[in-house]
Amino acid sequence: GAVVSQHPSRVICKSGTSVKIECRSLDFQATTMFWYRQFPKKSLMLMATSNEGSKATYEQGVEKDKFLINHASLTLSTLTVTSAHPEDSSFYICSARARASGTSSQDTQYFGPGTRLTVL
Amino acid sequence: AQSVTQLGSHVSVSEGALVLLRCNYSSSVPPYLFWYVQYPNQGLQLLLKYTSAATLVKGINGFEAEFKKSETSFHLTKPSAHMSDAAEYFCAVSEGTGRRALTFGSGTRLQVQP
Repeated sequence: GAVVSQHPSRVICKSGTSVKIECRSLDFQATTMFWYRQFPKKSLMLMATSNEGSKATYEQGVEKDKFLINHASLTLSTLTVTSAHPEDSSFYICSARARASGTSSQDTQYFGPGTRLTVL
Repeated sequence: AQSVTQLGSHVSVSEGALVLLRCNYSSSVPPYLFWYVQYPNQGLQLLLKYTSAATLVKGINGFEAEFKKSETSFHLTKPSAHMSDAAEYFCAVSEGTGRRALTFGSGTRLQVQP
């Protein structure tokens, strides 16, 4: 099956610093990647939709200046948490949308393993 | 707008017993429905998906789900639970048009007792 990787898997940083998280589709091209955030014992909340070569679309309530998303190629999207604060500590998960061969409507999202961010 | 409701945040079954995890959805257009499993500190793994083909969908690890339009449900079942099935399960819906981002339910934690 399609593989999506995230790097780093875990990061601890000081308050005020910026952290970059990479999401890569390893064996397919992803025109669209999604970034989700998961709070402890909670479900996943969509943060933004990232389309290759264009600006990301952010969900209501998500600060675009704080969560910078870049989708420079068909296999890589990055999420940068700028000036991180303890309340940004969370589990960040990306997914990449792959098209099933021969049927353009049967899109499937493949999820990365997630990045655990802890801001001290 | 689309939404997903998972009844029961925790479900406990005995090893070998039937697993039933409930999911009801709301969608203004024919939905695509998914079940994902998440093990601790890991990402999501796709169990199965419904994309308007057969209403009974078979997935990995012996799981299956049945799409019932009249009940707006997509419950996940497995005839015989295994200890390794203990995890968090998420039901998700994606509308057939638009951005196709997934809307997730709140999740159900499955415990399997020996």
